[in-house]
Amino acid sequence: AQTVTQSQPEMSVQEAETVTLSCTYDTSESDYYLFWYKQPPSRQMILVIRQEAYKQQNATENRFSVNFQKAAKSFSLKISDSQLGDAAMYFCAYQVGNEKLTFGTGTRLTIIP
Amino acid sequence: DTGVSQDPRHKITKRGQNVTFRCDPISEHNRLYWYRQTLGQGPEFLTYFQNEAQLEKSRLLSDRFSAERPKGSFSTLEIQRTEQGDSAMYLCASSFPSGLQEWTQYFGPGTRLLVL
Repeated sequence: AQTVTQSQPEMSVQEAETVTLSCTYDTSESDYYLFWYKQPPSRQMILVIRQEAYKQQNATENRFSVNFQKAAKSFSLKISDSQLGDAAMYFCAYQVGNEKLTFGTGTRLTIIP
Repeated sequence: DTGVSQDPRHKITKRGQNVTFRCDPISEHNRLYWYRQTLGQGPEFLTYFQNEAQLEKSRLLSDRFSAERPKGSFSTLEIQRTEQGDSAMYLCASSFPSGLQEWTQYFGPGTRLLVL
């Protein structure tokens, strides 16, 4: 069974600084998708970024970028120029094709003004 | 594009009562997923549909739970004889099979259930 591990239950960062959230996963599949979702205190799950496993190039979305290491089964999220609105729970998730998402346990990110 | 909507947003019920939740996916999204999220945890998969066909059910989905998507549009999730352990946030997501974000799941705001 696929598993997703987020080893940092909580992280904090100064406003305008950079923070990296870690995620590792276990799978025997060669083709899959990886995601980071953000869940602010209002609890609506919002897509942050997506990575296709067959692509070597790391995905970027404005201030958000990933470091995808397929051989190491690692998928970290870097947030640059952190803003107060980035405060949330961040979930790493894995998906094979068009099937279900498997989530990690989340990392709570606090932004220090 | 109005996003995924869920109704109700909050539900308080007494143990033993039945409850039903509704999810309206993004228009033209043919896949619809249900997840359950307890406090401090990541969402856990319950079931999903492609159009009106229910393709997979998790072992978490006991026989007290039933989900339907009768016309391939909105879906309902019913919990019969609720138990206190059913208290959780129930999340719905939908996805579409093509485009730059193929199969990416977009979530609704969730229904928070409290069983007293």
